[in-house]
Amino acid sequence: QSVLTQPPSVSGAPGQRVTISCTGSNSNIGAVFNVHWYQQLPGTAPKLLIYDNNNRPSGVPDRFSGSKSGTSASLAITGLQAEDEADYYCQSYDSSLSAYVFGTGTKVTVL
Amino acid sequence: EVQLLESGGGLVQPGGSLRLSCAASRFSFGAYAMTWVRQAPGKGLEWVSAVSASGSRTYYADSVKGRFTISRDNSKNTLYLQMNSLRVEDTAVYYCAKRDGVLAGDGFDIWGQGTVVTVSS
Repeated sequence: QSVLTQPPSVSGAPGQRVTISCTGSNSNIGAVFNVHWYQQLPGTAPKLLIYDNNNRPSGVPDRFSGSKSGTSASLAITGLQAEDEADYYCQSYDSSLSAYVFGTGTKVTVL
Repeated sequence: EVQLLESGGGLVQPGGSLRLSCAASRFSFGAYAMTWVRQAPGKGLEWVSAVSASGSRTYYADSVKGRFTISRDNSKNTLYLQMNSLRVEDTAVYYCAKRDGVLAGDGFDIWGQGTVVTVSS
């Protein structure tokens, strides 16, 4: 059972903006631990998309952005493109569990 | 190119054992904590285990504690996962990943391509 909750799916037309929420608790996102986001294209391994709440690794388009507030975090995709169709996961660390935790995952569909 | 390459997956009967390996290349393997993450068919990502850079500290998800053992050989740039008493619910793609920094809250910046473990009679 995942500790971090995400919507199962979001969708948008090309060019639109979509956001994905990630809700945790005071022992993970609400504590001092950062939130990271991963993109998993069909049939491939996850790829780090956003690290430390709002930073993009080299090569990740600036269409992707992250934020964190309280016990929640969000990933925004602006100017949605067909190639953005993928599963997206948030991840943090939970001090009560002494474990890394992933979100339930969100499938992004480009209409 | 920085790379992680898993191997050792396969078909095993319930109660059996497997040893996964993850070979690292083109980065200072011994300087970073490493982890295993799995993904059951059609399901999300699940953290399995982690090991400190030196190998002296290990961590496990409750679902595998007492059955799986993580280890590393920094002289061979290789990470391992010994899986014993395997259950049908351990069936998944197993990924190894490199932790980005030195803090527990750091993310995983490099991932392998995954190796498939199927537990079935």
